[in-house]
Amino acid sequence: NAGVTQTPKFRILKIGQSMTLQCTQDMNHNYMYWYRQDPGMGLKLIYYSVGAGITDKGEVPNGYNVSRSTTEDFPLRLELAAPSQTSVYFCASSYVGEGKGYTFGSGTRLTVV
Amino acid sequence: GEDVEQSLFLSVREGDSSVINCTYTDSSSTYLYWYKQEPGAGLQLLTYIFSNMDMKQDQRLTVLLNKKDKHLSLRIADTQTGDSAIYFCAANGFQKLVFGTGTRLLVSP
Repeated sequence: NAGVTQTPKFRILKIGQSMTLQCTQDMNHNYMYWYRQDPGMGLKLIYYSVGAGITDKGEVPNGYNVSRSTTEDFPLRLELAAPSQTSVYFCASSYVGEGKGYTFGSGTRLTVV
Repeated sequence: GEDVEQSLFLSVREGDSSVINCTYTDSSSTYLYWYKQEPGAGLQLLTYIFSNMDMKQDQRLTVLLNKKDKHLSLRIADTQTGDSAIYFCAANGFQKLVFGTGTRLLVSP
């Protein structure tokens, strides 16, 4: 049972480039989330999804897009990367959104130069 | 919406007890959680408490909940150097958890 898998683990992007951060879970969780964690800061919610075909904005959605075509996958798209998007990105999933807590991936460390 | 606050830093000696504190604002939160993040890793669920409980014990971990003051604490008994990490408190908001900023615990030999 792999849990939540994120790829890539590390990436360096140039300003203006685009990329997709992949997240997949094999626990049949209905809720999935994307967070970013800046140095010395807590977690900021970017986007979340309560099921396939349904997504919603979190606290810091600007500069990002998501889609949820299947239960398993929740990719995060960065368009026109900016230095302010340098961060560690975490994907998480949960079964009903509360009660059992989240399962987190190991993160993607992104640097925009 | 829900807001969760924690102190940023705690330093203890190996063998001492550590107490990490958290306050939250939404009294309707039904579950409260503690997560641990080791360097370079994601967050791992340590323990959680249901809002109708005052205390939960799990080996070296004790969670205390004061619903009146909306205060949650995590006590780690006999703290070890391997407990050095960032500890996040979280409370459930609508459809999602709200995390505190994390408390960095440093355990010195």
